[in-house]
Amino acid sequence: EAGVAQSPRYKIIEKRQSVAFWCNPISGHATLYWYQQILGQGPKLLIQFQNNGVVDDSQLPKDRFSAERLKGVDSTLKIQPAKLEDSAVYLCASSLWSTRSYNEQFFGPGTRLTVL
Amino acid sequence: QKEVEQNSGPLSVPEGAIASLNCTYSDRGSQSFFWYRQYSGKSPELIMFIYSNGDKEDGRFTAQLNKASQYVSLLIRDSQPSDSATYLCAVNPLFNKFYFGSGTKLNVKP
Repeated sequence: EAGVAQSPRYKIIEKRQSVAFWCNPISGHATLYWYQQILGQGPKLLIQFQNNGVVDDSQLPKDRFSAERLKGVDSTLKIQPAKLEDSAVYLCASSLWSTRSYNEQFFGPGTRLTVL
Repeated sequence: QKEVEQNSGPLSVPEGAIASLNCTYSDRGSQSFFWYRQYSGKSPELIMFIYSNGDKEDGRFTAQLNKASQYVSLLIRDSQPSDSATYLCAVNPLFNKFYFGSGTKLNVKP
């Protein structure tokens, strides 16, 4: 079974530029998450999709970040314009939509963003 | 108040010893609890999950949950240098939602 795919793996941009990340979840996984992980911190949820609808985007800086999941499969996360503090690893994860109390999420390899 | 609290460490233990990692959470309604291991430069990988009070063992790993005290711990027996990593505690307060702690860095010295 193929895992969660992300691209690019690394990206270096200057502040005020724009950048986009792509994620393809595990086949059949209805729930897709985008996390931001700053060095030395745990992953922070930016946005959560259920199929192509947004479940939670309360921590997404909407003045500069946007995300979409067209057709309920792959997803893109965009930052425009980027700030220095956006330097982080952006992790995509997916899970089955489940009412079980122990639903597992699977992480992609992440995209390391450096903003200069 | 953070949803999930962990001591950032580093926690240093000698090879062969027991490493004890702790996590507290604020939402009493949390359903299940996960321990992830994250090597430097890599993404988190699931080690164990637990959703019932008590202990759950898997090989050298034991997860312990105490919902009344709102803490969950991970014990690693016979620690190996390859166990050196950051361990993330994640809490599942609602179906399909997860909150992560900041992680505890573990160093196992040969």
